[in-house]
Amino acid sequence: GEDVEQSLFLSVREGDSSVINCTYTDSSSTYLYWYKQEPGAGLQLLTYIFSNMDMKQDQRLTVLLNKKDKHLSLRIADTQTGDSAIYFCAVPRGGTGTASKLTFGTGTRLQVTL
Amino acid sequence: ETGVTQTPRHLVMGMTNKKSLKCEQHLGHNAMYWYKQSAKKPLELMFVYNFKEQTENNSVPSRFSPECPNSSHLFLHLHTLQPEDSALYLCASSQGGLGTGELFFGEGSRLTVL
Repeated sequence: GEDVEQSLFLSVREGDSSVINCTYTDSSSTYLYWYKQEPGAGLQLLTYIFSNMDMKQDQRLTVLLNKKDKHLSLRIADTQTGDSAIYFCAVPRGGTGTASKLTFGTGTRLQVTL
Repeated sequence: ETGVTQTPRHLVMGMTNKKSLKCEQHLGHNAMYWYKQSAKKPLELMFVYNFKEQTENNSVPSRFSPECPNSSHLFLHLHTLQPEDSALYLCASSQGGLGTGELFFGEGSRLTVL
């Protein structure tokens, strides 16, 4: 089955850039996702990238995809204390069908310090 | 407010109790899911329902029993649970079809088994 790996913890100073990395095993995915979970809340879609792209930028967020190495990263520029959360990489199994079957990583807890 | 509501938010139960978790989505989606979130582990997909039909049971023990009476409601019936079943149980829904496959999550039900 699909494996998705992430480091568990990242600490950055406010104003610095954060880079959260993810590796996966299944290369047939059409979309790859980053979800964010704030304390006491469920997961919310943060951004996604289509598999034929290698980069997507959305304001302070940059997603990089290296299909050859099966590596996905999320860069947050000018990290703020409000960015403190758990960030999950997610990769679909079996493509996008009638029901999405996402395989999630462990999540990376981002701690932003002053 | 994500459009997916879970109740109760917190539940403490003994190993011999029977309880149920409830999920309701107001998004008109066709698919609903139960995920289990445990510390330092990847998010685990438990069950998938598509148009009220169960399409996936991810080797979940029979002490967890899902029920989907219609496309808007999903239950997880719990009985004779073990302490290792303590976790955050997340419900999600998705539209299906040829979209991005985005999942919409509820805020979760935090379960503690004594």
